[in-house]
Amino acid sequence: NFMLTQPHSVSESPGKTVTISCTRSSGSFASNSVQWYQQRPGSAPTTVIYEVNQRPSGVPDRFSGSIDSSSNSASLTISGLKTEDEADYYCQSSDDNDHVLFGGGTKLTVL
Amino acid sequence: QVQLVQSGAAVKKPGASVKVSCKASGYTFTNYNMHWMRLAPGQGLEWMGIINPGGDRTTYAQKFQGRVTMTGDTSTTTMYMELSSLRSEDTAVYYCARDDIFDPSPVFDYWGQGTLVTVSS
Repeated sequence: NFMLTQPHSVSESPGKTVTISCTRSSGSFASNSVQWYQQRPGSAPTTVIYEVNQRPSGVPDRFSGSIDSSSNSASLTISGLKTEDEADYYCQSSDDNDHVLFGGGTKLTVL
Repeated sequence: QVQLVQSGAAVKKPGASVKVSCKASGYTFTNYNMHWMRLAPGQGLEWMGIINPGGDRTTYAQKFQGRVTMTGDTSTTTMYMELSSLRSEDTAVYYCARDDIFDPSPVFDYWGQGTLVTVSS
């Protein structure tokens, strides 16, 4: 199987830009896409990015996603940070048998 | 509108079983698989498994093999997840989430509200 590794936490000031990484130990995001979910305390997760860089309707364009094949990593970038962006963020991918895996989650603090 | 409504919180003793339901509405039930995840205190999201809309095909995460059973009732568009031999480490919020069967990879666009399961003697 494979692992998805995220930084435990990141912090940045309002108005700034932050990037959260997600490194896949084996397999590739090109073959098995990557999604990003935002989870606020006490709430269910919501999708902010799907299929690497697609935004669901209602998600502001401050959120963007990308992959770097050379490092087998995916990134979620949030620009123009707002205090409401403070949450846990999880990357998610799958293997060829549709077994799903989440990264360990990254706590974003906007201070 | 799409809704996944889960059953209420449960408190169970170690060794017991719990069955969580997920009632789907507002969409074509047969076009979506259902996945189950959990979020334990201080931990990250954990995938438990998937059941197809017909309820006759399941795949479970290796960690839960032998302890989890996912079933479905197409007549009531309700999915169920039963976890047995509960231990304290199973205390968590359990979520159902749907995934379009036509997507090349699992993407969860709608989630249930979550069900808190507490395992305590």
